[in-house]
Amino acid sequence: ILNVEQSPQSLHVQEGDSTNFTCSFPSSNFYALHWYRWETAKSPEALFVMTLNGDEKKKGRISATLNTKEGYSYLYIKGSQPEDSATYLCAAQYGNKLVFGAGTILRVKS
Amino acid sequence: DTAVSQTPKYLVTQMGNDKSIKCEQNLGHDTMYWYKQDSKKFLKIMFSYNNKELIINETVPNRFSPKSPDKAHLNLHINSLELGDSAVYFCASSLQNTGPYEQYFGPGTRLTVT
Repeated sequence: ILNVEQSPQSLHVQEGDSTNFTCSFPSSNFYALHWYRWETAKSPEALFVMTLNGDEKKKGRISATLNTKEGYSYLYIKGSQPEDSATYLCAAQYGNKLVFGAGTILRVKS
Repeated sequence: DTAVSQTPKYLVTQMGNDKSIKCEQNLGHDTMYWYKQDSKKFLKIMFSYNNKELIINETVPNRFSPKSPDKAHLNLHINSLELGDSAVYFCASSLQNTGPYEQYFGPGTRLTVT
């Protein structure tokens, strides 16, 4: 059974704080790592897909890194804003199947 | 324009009934998926179709049967509903089933079995 773990489970930060979350996954037969942003009452929305060890992707204030050898990925948010409040999901891809973590809930207070 | 749509959004029904959830995508993708969000909030893959062909069939009771009339549609039919089937079901699509392609999710269907 493949387990993808995310930490922390939830996070409350002040507007302007920078924050990061961790996603850990089994590295055997790993193919790609996906990050999704899921706002309340909406659908999960893709942020990044990474495949190579050392990959780093950036979109505005959000960036992600990937370590396939040790099986982890970090998601960073610089200068958090209230609109960043959401659940951040990671999913490890094995073959054509995604295995999701439970998500990290981020709440940004203004 | 909604990329991946599901109907209905909410479904309340009694044990033993048969119900269907419909999914449509207008992205021109080849691959579609059904996920179940379990009680611990994990999204778990149930089925995947690529160009109308079943490619992923997880350990799901036989009461669940997906049907893909064309590559833009993937419906989920559930027979003899049980209390444990209560969950949120998400449809998704991706460009292809092989490769690191992001998935686009529908809004979810909240199924409540009483």
